[in-house]
Amino acid sequence: GQQLNQSPQSMFIQEGEDVSMNCTSSSIFNTWLWYKQDPGEGPVLLIALYKAGELTSNGRLTAQFGITRKDSFLNISASIPSDVGIYFCAGQPEKRFGAGTRLTVKP
Amino acid sequence: NAGVTQTPKFRVLKTGQSMTLLCAQDMNHEYMYWYRQDPGMGLRLIHYSVGEGTTAKGEVPDGYNVSRLKKQNFLLGLESAAPSQTSVYFCASSSPRTGDYGYTFGSGTRLTVV
Repeated sequence: GQQLNQSPQSMFIQEGEDVSMNCTSSSIFNTWLWYKQDPGEGPVLLIALYKAGELTSNGRLTAQFGITRKDSFLNISASIPSDVGIYFCAGQPEKRFGAGTRLTVKP
Repeated sequence: NAGVTQTPKFRVLKTGQSMTLLCAQDMNHEYMYWYRQDPGMGLRLIHYSVGEGTTAKGEVPDGYNVSRLKKQNFLLGLESAAPSQTSVYFCASSSPRTGDYGYTFGSGTRLTVV
């Protein structure tokens, strides 16, 4: 099946810093989705991308659907302690998820 | 609006025992999914359903069975539990036919097989 590589695996940053994470695929996806998971909870959808080249923002979050349709990135600006969690990318229609990026924010 | 509800939240099984995990959604979503989450491996699809009465295998279906007798419910069964099935199980639903491919997840079932 298609491989979905997410990096980095983990990040330790200072409050106020910007964060960038990305996902790459061995094949083309039609849709990229970014989720956040808080401890003990299920993932929650942050941003959905449906077109190659699309750049979408949700507050301090910005995500882009790569032109080749094989990659996507998520940026978080001016991080705050509540940004802590695991961030997942997912591709459709293959229903696959990346392994996640665990974000730790130090106050 | 409850969204996606999973029961139970926690369960400990002995090897060889059977159990059923229940997922219920109240959003009239057509698609439903079962994933398992293991450390460092993200979410892996076990089975999914694109409508009432239909099911399909995902990436890791062995040892599990599913049923979707009603649109709002999706059941995951373990006939003979094994320690390798110790995991956190998440149910999700979506409505791609309306153009919305995002999933709504339940809060998970933590299963330990001893």
